[in-house]
Amino acid sequence: KTQVEQSPQSLVVRQGENCVLQCNYSVTPDNHLRWFKQDTGKGLVSLTVLVHENDKTSNGRYSATLDKDAKHSTLHITATLLDDTATYICVVGDRGSALGRLHFGAGTQLIVIP
Amino acid sequence: EAAVTQSPRSKVAVTGGKVTLSCHQTNNHDYMYWYRQDTGHGLRLIHYSYVADSTEKGDIPDGYKASRPSQENFSLILELASLSQTAVYFCASSERFPEQFFGPGTRLTVL
Repeated sequence: KTQVEQSPQSLVVRQGENCVLQCNYSVTPDNHLRWFKQDTGKGLVSLTVLVHENDKTSNGRYSATLDKDAKHSTLHITATLLDDTATYICVVGDRGSALGRLHFGAGTQLIVIP
Repeated sequence: EAAVTQSPRSKVAVTGGKVTLSCHQTNNHDYMYWYRQDTGHGLRLIHYSYVADSTEKGDIPDGYKASRPSQENFSLILELASLSQTAVYFCASSERFPEQFFGPGTRLTVL
């Protein structure tokens, strides 16, 4: 059973527009949540990590929120660029130790057009 | 930034053949992982290792073996490749859980 669901599955925006990606999960316990960017044919690159209830993080044009009560996270991308075209993957860690597992979403494919 | 490299970057194998995927990291990380990624699905953990000469089963180990001959190298072995093992395989390393640094992936096609 999929424990990390991402929406939308794919998204097309024009350069300069903002967009919001969603992540809902059922992983328990939920120690932390991380957003990765995966360029086509490349590995995963960490964008941000959220740990605490109602955490908010910011990394340049990327910002993220976490609501642990609702088991929900959002990733906001402001003023999109063509280089933002990629798959964005939400990952939930069930523990903060080597005994834990990472639970991966299937990703949201973002396409930024001129 | 951790450097994780994988070889080959892509491979075509025949059903029933043996396939070895290699991973190399240069940052003295203790932990290494092998995942597979299928279209429309999240990454799934196949095998992992905490220390050289030791490997552990992940969530989907059937049909795969792993080998960690040194701290830097971690291999994934498919003794009898099957069609269902067509996927993209990612290696990752970390100094401490949960942070992981991923390699670029190996695209494996089994015909």
